[in-house]
Amino acid sequence: GENVEQHPSTLSVQEGDSAVIKCTYSDSASNYFPWYKQELGKGPQLIIDIRSNVGEKKDQRIAVTLNKTAKHFSLHITETQPEDSAVYFCAASILGDYKLSFGAGTTVTVRA
Amino acid sequence: DTGVSQDPRHKITKRGQNVTFRCDPISEHNRLYWYRQTLGQGPEFLTYFQNEAQLEKSRLLSDRFSAERPKGSFSTLEIQRTEQGDSAMYLCASSPGQGSSYEQYFGPGTRLTVT
Repeated sequence: GENVEQHPSTLSVQEGDSAVIKCTYSDSASNYFPWYKQELGKGPQLIIDIRSNVGEKKDQRIAVTLNKTAKHFSLHITETQPEDSAVYFCAASILGDYKLSFGAGTTVTVRA
Repeated sequence: DTGVSQDPRHKITKRGQNVTFRCDPISEHNRLYWYRQTLGQGPEFLTYFQNEAQLEKSRLLSDRFSAERPKGSFSTLEIQRTEQGDSAMYLCASSPGQGSSYEQYFGPGTRLTVT
C-alpha cells in the first residue's frame, strides 16, 4: 500500500517567517494530495489540495508544490501568524480509490 | 449545513465492553469514511461507504469492529469486547462522491479511552 513520509516532525518559526513541510510518497499511481490542519481537540481541516496534473497551487498565504518524478510534495506557508500554529498532515490517494494515506504530521509553532 | 458531526465526543469504557459511535455526514454527501488516529500519528483508514454499501475495509478493522450505514445517511461504528489497544480518536469524514469532488471533510472525532 501507499507509504507517506513527512518531515520535519516539529517546526518552530518566528512570526512573519515562512514554513515549509515536505512529504514523499511511494506509490506512483497516487494522483491526489491534500493537506490538512488539525488543532487541539478538533478533526483535521482541509486547507489545500493538488492533483497530479498540476505542479503548483496557491491560496493566499499557502501554496503546495508537487514533483511527480521525485514523488514528493511540499506545503509552503508564508508570513506565518500565531493562528497558523497547529499540526499539519499531508496525505496521498489514488483518485477513484478514495482512501487517504496520511503522513505522521508536523507540529508547527509560530513564535510571536 | 454545519459539517460532519460525531457523537459522542468522548467515551470512557472498561475493557470488554461494547461501544457504538455515530457519524452524521454533510448533507447529500454520498461517501462516508471512518479513520482511526492514535496519539502523534496521522489518521489511518478503516472503511468507507458509497451510499449504504460498504465498499472497502482495512486490515485494521478486526472482527470486533463493524460499521453500518443503513439508509445511506448517518453511519455507526461498533467495537465489541473493547481492548486497551482500541484507545484512539475515531474520525469520520464525508465527500460528495460526485463528478470530480474528492475532498474529504472530517468531523471532530470521538475519543475512546479503554480502561
